[in-house]
This record gives sequence, structure tokens and C-alpha cells, in this order.
Amino acid sequence: EAGVTQFPSHSVIEKGQTVTLRCDPISGHDNLYWYRRVMGKEIKFLLHFVKESKQDESGMPNNRFLAERTGGTYSTLKVQPAELEDSGVYFCASSQLVPPGQGSNEQFFGPGTRLTVL
Amino acid sequence: ELKVEQNPLFLSMQEGKNYTIYCNYSTTSDRLYWYRQDPGKSLESLFVLLSNGAVKQEGRLMASLDTKARLSTLHITAAVHDLSATYFCAVSGSRLTFGEGTQLTVNP
Repeated sequence: EAGVTQFPSHSVIEKGQTVTLRCDPISGHDNLYWYRRVMGKEIKFLLHFVKESKQDESGMPNNRFLAERTGGTYSTLKVQPAELEDSGVYFCASSQLVPPGQGSNEQFFGPGTRLTVL
Repeated sequence: ELKVEQNPLFLSMQEGKNYTIYCNYSTTSDRLYWYRQDPGKSLESLFVLLSNGAVKQEGRLMASLDTKARLSTLHITAAVHDLSATYFCAVSGSRLTFGEGTQLTVNP
């Protein structure tokens, strides 16, 4: 079974440019999460989709970040315009949608996209 | 706001030695995870700890959970070079809240 995949693995852009990151979750996983690790700090939550709906986007840093999950399959995270402080590793994770106490909703992570903004 | 603190953040140890990584968290949570990350790779789930007193072991790694102290430990026994990686603990609610990670280097 394929795991969570992310594209690209690396991206180097200049300040002010736009970048779009893509995440393909494990097939059948309705939950999809974006996280970010900046400058060797902790991995921080950005947002959570349930199918195509944004369940929680409280971690999104500002309105330069736009996440979509049309059709409830893959997701994109667009940064426009990128700033220096956006550099970091962006992780995507997915999990099954299960009622509490009825199984594991363990999150499975992709390898991340390393974004460098110059 | 839930906070998770790991220590140490950097750990350099010799092969064959034992050491413990600590993970403290600030509020009650229903489960705690330990992950391993090799450079450029996915976060690999090592352990899921669900209840007070839970202890799980896999090879040279053993994880435990004390929910009253809000503390989890990851104990490394007789370290080998292959264990070199970054280790994260994470506490779950509706989302995962991570510690800063412990970068472990095991030297021959």
C-alpha cells in the first residue's frame, strides 16, 4: 500500500514568488493534515481537512497561505507571496476517519517538502 | 494551549551506552506518540501510548507513559549507530502537538 506522498521534495524560490505544495494521502483516508517545521523547531500544526472541508485551520500563519482539497483526495498548499520566514519543512499526514473509541486514527506522515525562500 | 517539551534537544552518545529522552506535556491528553525521522524521510511511528503506566518495547527502544506526571520517556539500551535519527514525541487531541525533537547521534 502506498504511503503519503508529497511533491516536490525540495523547492527553492525567491521572496515574493508563489509556490504550491501537493500532498497525496493514503487512499481512503478522509483526514488530511498539514504541519510545518521551521528552523529546527517543533513541528507545528497548520490545518486539518475532513474530506474536502476544513475542520480546523487555526494553525495557518496568515492569509498568504491557502490550502485546498477539492474532491476530498489530494491537497495543495499554496504560499503567495512567499516570505523568508516561510522557509521550513512542510509535512502532510493522513488518517482514517473513525469514531472515538472505535479504532485507530493514527496519522501517517509523508516525507515532507523542504521549502527555501531566498 | 498544550505545550510539549523534549529534552535533551541534542544527544551524542557512544555505541553500547544507555540513555533516556524525556517528554513533558502541559495538559491532559488521550494518547502520546513517539516518532523517528531520518533525514529527508517520513516520520515513522515508533510507539503509541494510551494509558497511565503503559510501557512498550521494540528492540533497543522502550517507551513509557506517566499521565499523572504528564511525562513520557524513551529509553535507549546499548545504542547502535543505526539509531542515529531525530526523535519526536507528540501528544494528540484533535491534532498532534509535537516537541522540538531530539537529534540523536550514536558514535562508534
